[in-house]
Amino acid sequence: EVQLVESGGGLVQPGGSLRLSCAASGFTFSSYSMNWVRQAPGKGLEWISYISSTSSAIYYADSVKGRFTISRDNAKNSLYLQMNSLRVEDTAVYYCARAKDRLFDYWGQGTLVTVSS
Amino acid sequence: QSVLTQPPSASGTPGQRVTISCSGDTSYIVSNYVYWYQRLPRTAPKLLIYRDDQRPSGVPDRFSGSKSGTSASLAISGLRSEDEAEYYCAAWDGSLRVVVFGGGTKLTVL
Repeated sequence: EVQLVESGGGLVQPGGSLRLSCAASGFTFSSYSMNWVRQAPGKGLEWISYISSTSSAIYYADSVKGRFTISRDNAKNSLYLQMNSLRVEDTAVYYCARAKDRLFDYWGQGTLVTVSS
Repeated sequence: QSVLTQPPSASGTPGQRVTISCSGDTSYIVSNYVYWYQRLPRTAPKLLIYRDDQRPSGVPDRFSGSKSGTSASLAISGLRSEDEAEYYCAAWDGSLRVVVFGGGTKLTVL
């Protein structure tokens, strides 16, 4: 069974940093590209970043480019999102999602990031 | 404002057939696969339709996807109360290298 478990969310002040993790199991992690997607309160889904299986291709949404960094450790079956210069509008539930055709087939349950002073 | 356009709401009674549209310009809908996701309250999104009209195993055949020109559609037949959820379409933009979502459609089963 495919399982994706996010962690690392919490309350952070504007301008602060946070690192999210996603632990993958139930599939060969090193063979799949991965994504981060978020949903702000009362808003729709927003894709924010993609990383290929070997980290050779990485893409970001304009809203986070230059502030967020996606990475992975295939030896640890883990995906990461380093979030710097956080803004109030980054408040959202963050999901990691396994890629299928650069979109998503399996999603984690999400971790809440709240940016507030 | 989302790049893909969905109606914000839809409704139907049990047993009915409802359709949810997803429209966008050529670079999104025509040139790329459209995916559909279901978001039940307080749960993670679930893949319903991939590659325009394919159903993953475990998704009932009451759910179907189609695409024509610059518009895609999700149809739900034999509507059930448990189908009450938000539905999102999504597509990959190969030129911009981004994923775009529709704004979501909240389906109410009356």
